[in-house]
Amino acid sequence: AQTVTQSQPEMSVQEAETVTLSCTYDTSESNYYLFWYKQPPSRQMILVIRQEAYKQQNATENRFSVNFQKAAKSFSLKISDSQLGDTAMYFCACLNNNAGNMLTFGGGTRLMVKP
Amino acid sequence: DTAVSQTPKYLVTQMGNDKSIKCEQNLGHDTMYWYKQDSKKFLKIMFSYNNKELIINETVPNRFSPKSPDKAHLNLHINSLELGDSAVYFCASSQERGGKYTGELFFGEGSRLTVL
Repeated sequence: AQTVTQSQPEMSVQEAETVTLSCTYDTSESNYYLFWYKQPPSRQMILVIRQEAYKQQNATENRFSVNFQKAAKSFSLKISDSQLGDTAMYFCACLNNNAGNMLTFGGGTRLMVKP
Repeated sequence: DTAVSQTPKYLVTQMGNDKSIKCEQNLGHDTMYWYKQDSKKFLKIMFSYNNKELIINETVPNRFSPKSPDKAHLNLHINSLELGDSAVYFCASSQERGGKYTGELFFGEGSRLTVL
């Protein structure tokens, strides 16, 4: 079984500043993927960024980047130049290919970007 | 065009009733899922279907029965609804690439079920 833990239930950041959301995971597999999904107030889940465990280089997508520490099983999300539209729930997730594509989600972090 | 669409988006019903939520994806994906998001926003997988065959069935009561008439549709039928079934139910789809799933799920907008 795999578990994903997000230790920050809520966070806030001023517009244009940088914020980091934490995530730790536990899996016995060597081949897995990690994700951050965003859920704005509209409810729809949107993929923000993805990291393959076998890749050492941290993934980046525009203002979003991750700090993947494989040995520590840590996968944090950094949002630079925060925008009001970044206000949402953020979910960290882990995929184990050997578990039938079952995505395990963390409990979520509610991020509020303040003007 | 909506990639993954669910109907209805809101559903209010009485305990004991039977209800269905429909899901359709026009992405040509071969795998579809149902996830449940509870009041604390916790997301948990319920079912996964690949080409109309059940792949994952997490400890979900027998009152929940998924049906996949074809690989573009995965409906969720719930019998004898209970208060604890109140939640947002998300349908999602994904596509295998090179024999492996990459984990990118495309979600519908969710169906909020309220049981009174």
